[in-house]
Amino acid sequence: EAGVAQSPRYKIIEKRQSVAFWCNPISGHATLYWYQQILGQGPKLLIQFQNNGVVDDSQLPKDRFSAERLKGVDSTLKIQPAKLEDSAVYLCASSLGAGLQETQYFGPGTRLLVL
Amino acid sequence: QKEVEQNSGPLSVPEGAIASLNCTYSDRGSQSFFWYRQYSGKSPELIMSIYSNGDKEDGRFTAQLNKASQYVSLLIRDSQPSDSATYLCAVIMYNNNDMRFGAGTRLTVKP
Repeated sequence: EAGVAQSPRYKIIEKRQSVAFWCNPISGHATLYWYQQILGQGPKLLIQFQNNGVVDDSQLPKDRFSAERLKGVDSTLKIQPAKLEDSAVYLCASSLGAGLQETQYFGPGTRLLVL
Repeated sequence: QKEVEQNSGPLSVPEGAIASLNCTYSDRGSQSFFWYRQYSGKSPELIMSIYSNGDKEDGRFTAQLNKASQYVSLLIRDSQPSDSATYLCAVIMYNNNDMRFGAGTRLTVKP
């Protein structure tokens, strides 16, 4: 069974530029999560989708971050414009069912460096 | 007080010893707790979940939960060099039904 796929794996941009990340969850997984992990910290949940609806986006900086999960399968996370403090690893995870108690499977992440 | 706190380490133990990793949390109503392992440069992977007070064992790993003390721990018996990683504690916070991670404890098992 294929795992969670993410692209790109690495991205370097200058501040004020825009960037987008893509995630394809494990086939059949209803719930998709985006996390931000800054170096030396634990992952921070940005947004949770169940199918194509948003369950929780309370920690998403909505002035610059946006995410969508059209058709309830793959998802994109966008940052516009990027700031230096957005440098982090962006992790996508998926789970079979709804609810945070479900086992989450993480993708390899996208490492973003904002200069 | 941070919502989920862990000692950052590094924690160093000799091969074959017991490694003890600790985590405290702020939301007294929280009911669901998780331990993830993250190798350097890799993604987190779930080791164990625990929901009830007491111990839960899975192979060399034992999770311990004490809700009255708002404390959860992970014991690794017969530690191996391959256990060297950062261990993340995660809690589903009751007040906002949100998952929060600690900053992680870096464990090194020396041969």
